[in-house]
Amino acid sequence: QQQVKQSPQSLIVQKGGISIINCAYENTAFDYFPWYQQFPGKGPALLIAIRPDVSEKKEGRFTISFNKSAKQFSLHIMDSQPGDSATYFCAALTGGGNKLTFGTGTQLKVEL
Amino acid sequence: GAVVSQHPSWVICKSGTSVKIECRSLDFQATTMFWYRQFPKQSLMLMATSNEGSKATYEQGVEKDKFLINHASLTLSTLTVTSAHPEDSSFYICSAYGQGYGYTFGSGTRLTVV
Repeated sequence: QQQVKQSPQSLIVQKGGISIINCAYENTAFDYFPWYQQFPGKGPALLIAIRPDVSEKKEGRFTISFNKSAKQFSLHIMDSQPGDSATYFCAALTGGGNKLTFGTGTQLKVEL
Repeated sequence: GAVVSQHPSWVICKSGTSVKIECRSLDFQATTMFWYRQFPKQSLMLMATSNEGSKATYEQGVEKDKFLINHASLTLSTLTVTSAHPEDSSFYICSAYGQGYGYTFGSGTRLTVV
């Protein structure tokens, strides 16, 4: 069964700190790994995505680290801000498929 | 960037009535649209996938007669919750896929059945 395991379930970080969310997968056919940010009462929005041919991708304060051999990938939010408080979902997609498989989500709270 | 408009953003209906939710891709053609259901503090649960002009493909356990999906054009898909009951109360989210645009999500619809 296609699954993406995400941890932690919730995370509290001080303003200016680094938030780290981890995901692991089993299906080696996955070849696209996006991260989504969701605010309460809103739909998810694409934050950043990576393909397995690179080990890291950075966009502003957001970085994805990808470890193909371990089948793990993580999201790092540098200099975390209160406005980053949201739920974050990792996801995965196979090359031949069209259905995103979502992780269970991480509720991030950035405190002042 | 790609924009998906979902309406209404919230709706309250009486038990036994039907509710229609619209999902429109505003600036791209969506070859595939997806409908999700999300319970509080949980992940997105895929309900069905629809391609323009074709019947929707429902995920296991989703009642196709209760959740009617129509994808009449490359920019519009609708989800109709028929004979709604309180247990159908949830947050419904659509997503549209377009070549070159990836997956874009709507802003969601909060359905409350009373």
